[in-house]
Amino acid sequence: GAVVSQHPSRVICKSGTSVKIECRSLDFQATTMFWYRQFPKKSLMLMATSNEGSKATYEQGVEKDKFLINHASLTLSTLTVTSAHPEDSSFYICSARGLGNQETQYFGPGTRLLVL
Amino acid sequence: EDKVVQSPLSLVVHEGDTVTLNCSYEVTNFRSLLWYKQEKKAPTFLFMLTSSGIEKKSGRLSSILDKKELSSILNITATQTGDSAIYLCAVPSNTGNQFYFGTGTSLTVIP
Repeated sequence: GAVVSQHPSRVICKSGTSVKIECRSLDFQATTMFWYRQFPKKSLMLMATSNEGSKATYEQGVEKDKFLINHASLTLSTLTVTSAHPEDSSFYICSARGLGNQETQYFGPGTRLLVL
Repeated sequence: EDKVVQSPLSLVVHEGDTVTLNCSYEVTNFRSLLWYKQEKKAPTFLFMLTSSGIEKKSGRLSSILDKKELSSILNITATQTGDSAIYLCAVPSNTGNQFYFGTGTSLTVIP
């Protein structure tokens, strides 16, 4: 089946530093990748949608200069949290949608970010 | 290996029908199981289940967990076209650092 990986699974950083999270589709080509943020006991919040080779589309209220998204290839998207602050601590999940299959998103396992 | 499996992958029903969606899981140190409904954008949270045998209900939707069978079902009665969506099941890892999602069940309700 389709597998999506995320790296790292967990990261702790100091306030003010930048953190990069990778999302990879391991056995299929992902034309579209989605980045979500999840707060405890709450639903996923879509942050942005990225299509390979083009700029990401950010949801309202998400700062594009703070959450940099790059989708340089059909198997890799990255989310960089720039100048991280404690309020950015959260669970970030990516999902990928493959070529010819618009029905299903395959989710990565998520990355837990803790900013001290 | 921890995993979550949903079935069926897709389902087409007529308005008024009742549907049952299935989720089975294998995870070390089970903590909870979550159901989401995903329409055009972000999945929206439906239920969190932690205790076996206790039904959670919200309108026409209900869900129950069976820890013996390592599974959960989501029932939707008197379906409406607005119920058309992908229903996702997710289980946190034992550390809570990761979520294991099923691929979802795509439900289409025909008028």
